[in-house]
Amino acid sequence: KQEVTQIPAALSVPEGENLVLNCSFTDSAIYNLQWFRQDPGKGLTSLLLIQSSQREQTSGRLNASLDKSSGRSTLYIAASQPGDSATYLCAAINNFNKFYFGSGTKLNVKP
Amino acid sequence: EPEVTQTPSHQVTQMGQEVILRCVPISNHLYFYWYRQILGQKVEFLVSFYNNEISEKSEIFDDQFSVERPDGSNFTLKIRSTKLEDSAMYFCASSTEGSTGELFFGEGSRLTVL
Repeated sequence: KQEVTQIPAALSVPEGENLVLNCSFTDSAIYNLQWFRQDPGKGLTSLLLIQSSQREQTSGRLNASLDKSSGRSTLYIAASQPGDSATYLCAAINNFNKFYFGSGTKLNVKP
Repeated sequence: EPEVTQTPSHQVTQMGQEVILRCVPISNHLYFYWYRQILGQKVEFLVSFYNNEISEKSEIFDDQFSVERPDGSNFTLKIRSTKLEDSAMYFCASSTEGSTGELFFGEGSRLTVL
């Protein structure tokens, strides 16, 4: 069974800092890895999808990389802003058509 | 921008009662899912649905759970006899493709079982 782990569980940084969130998965036979943002009491907003043939995806200040062989993905957030404060979840999907989620990294960006 | 919509946003029910959670997936999507998140825990897969049948389900999705696509737009999750441990946020999601498609989630339905 796929196990997805996210480190750190929580992170507090001053505004403007660049930061990296880590995601690791045990089964490298994944099709996709997707990063989500979750605000308190809300749904999951898709940030970036990396397909297994890709190594990275970029959207604005966000960059996600994928290294299947080592079972790792990172989400890089440049020039963090208070509005980036949320929980960030990564999820890996394998050939059984279901996503396995990590526990998330709770990010607090201080003004 | 198209989105997945869910109703109700919050439902409170007594233990043993039946609950139906409703979802309208994005209109051109073919794969539909239910996930749940117990407070403070990971988001967990419940079931996937494609071509009017269940394609995959987890061990959580026992005989008390069922899904249906009663018409061309709605996708429902029914819990026949709710238990206290069913209290959670239930998320509906949809995608254009199965294992390779981007997943889009609704805002969730919070179920509280008393």
